[in-house]
Amino acid sequence: NAGVTQTPKFQVLKTGQSMTLQCAQDMNHNSMYWYRQDPGMGLRLIYYSASEGTTDKGEVPNGYNVSRLNKREFSLRLESAAPSQTSVYFCASSEQGAGTEAFFGQGTRLTVV
Amino acid sequence: KQEVTQIPAALSVPEGENLVLNCSFTDSAIYNLQWFRQDPGKGLTSLLLIQSSQREQTSGRLNASLDKSSGRSTLYIAASQPGDSATYLCAAPLGTTDSWGKLQFGAGTQVVVTP
Repeated sequence: NAGVTQTPKFQVLKTGQSMTLQCAQDMNHNSMYWYRQDPGMGLRLIYYSASEGTTDKGEVPNGYNVSRLNKREFSLRLESAAPSQTSVYFCASSEQGAGTEAFFGQGTRLTVV
Repeated sequence: KQEVTQIPAALSVPEGENLVLNCSFTDSAIYNLQWFRQDPGKGLTSLLLIQSSQREQTSGRLNASLDKSSGRSTLYIAASQPGDSATYLCAAPLGTTDSWGKLQFGAGTQVVVTP
């Protein structure tokens, strides 16, 4: 039972470098999300995809782009990493619609130096 | 915008004592409220999901209540064990008409259960 799988688990980038965080879910969920978790700030929504083929901004989208590659996969791209993007990134998925339970991956710990 | 608050930020109890964790939210017109557990360096594990039509939800030693009128949810953990040591997060949908499951999280309560 894999659930939500994120890769990589850890990454160190230099300022200005780019990278893509990968996320895949095997629960046939329609909706997928990217959150970041920072000390003292809690988890904040970066982007989400309500269904395959759609994406929309969350609370803190600046500096990020996303791609919903297919129903299973939702990637998050940092085009030019900044130290302020040092964080733990979580991918989540849920069934579409109100009142549905969200399931989270194990996270990617990203450090930008 | 939904705002979620968890008090206290940290809690330490001896093994065997019951745990009471509080979560408050500003917008009472919510579809549901979800409780998560997070171990250090790990992801979030869903514990309980309470629908707006429910007042309680139970799973083993865990019981969560929801009072929409007062904007509060409480997570009870009976007969705590050292393995219950973790950070507990509650989360509610961002908007009342939001049907895509976007969540607003509280900052969490860090729990330590001492043997």
